[in-house]
Amino acid sequence: NAGVTQTPKFRVLKTGQSMTLLCAQDMNHEYMYWYRQDPGMGLRLIHYSVGEGTTAKGEVPDGYNVSRLKKQNFLLGLESAAPSQTSVYFCASSRSGSEETQYFGPGTRLLVL
Amino acid sequence: EDKVVQSPLSLVVHEGDTVTLNCSYEVTNFRSLLWYKQEKKAPTFLFMLTSSGIEKKSGRLSSILDKKELFSILNITATQTGDSAVYLCAAPMDSSYKLIFGSGTRLLVRP
Repeated sequence: NAGVTQTPKFRVLKTGQSMTLLCAQDMNHEYMYWYRQDPGMGLRLIHYSVGEGTTAKGEVPDGYNVSRLKKQNFLLGLESAAPSQTSVYFCASSRSGSEETQYFGPGTRLLVL
Repeated sequence: EDKVVQSPLSLVVHEGDTVTLNCSYEVTNFRSLLWYKQEKKAPTFLFMLTSSGIEKKSGRLSSILDKKELFSILNITATQTGDSAVYLCAAPMDSSYKLIFGSGTRLLVRP
């Protein structure tokens, strides 16, 4: 039981490049989330999903897209990376909306030059 | 606008000391407050508090919620170097399951 996993662990991009971050969970959770964490700002919600095939915007969605084609996977895409997207990205999942304990993945450190 | 504010931003103590971390909140339709510990990587869940005045304990860690004054504290007694981490508090915003996080308190425990 791996919990929540993220790939890659670290990536360097040039401005304008695109990439996809993958989150996978093996706990059969319905809800999945993508956060970014910047120094002094805590965790901010980018997008989330309440079930397979559904996605919704969080606090800071601009510049990102997501997809939830399979229940266990939640993908975060950057179509045209910008230096402002340099951050640590965390994926999380929870059993349901009423179960508020979210379980986090190990994070992806992204540097955009 | 919903917000969660933590203090202090950082704290340095010696092993054996007791520390108190603070979290205040302004959240519409408040339901619960959560504490997480973040070491090098993923935040890990510590406590979820829903009722005022009821202390939750796990070993040397304890937490309590005051819904009248809109704050929570996290206490760590007999601190150890392994307690060094960033401690985050969060609350679901506006009756949803979307969490709003505080900026965290960075705790460093020196031997």
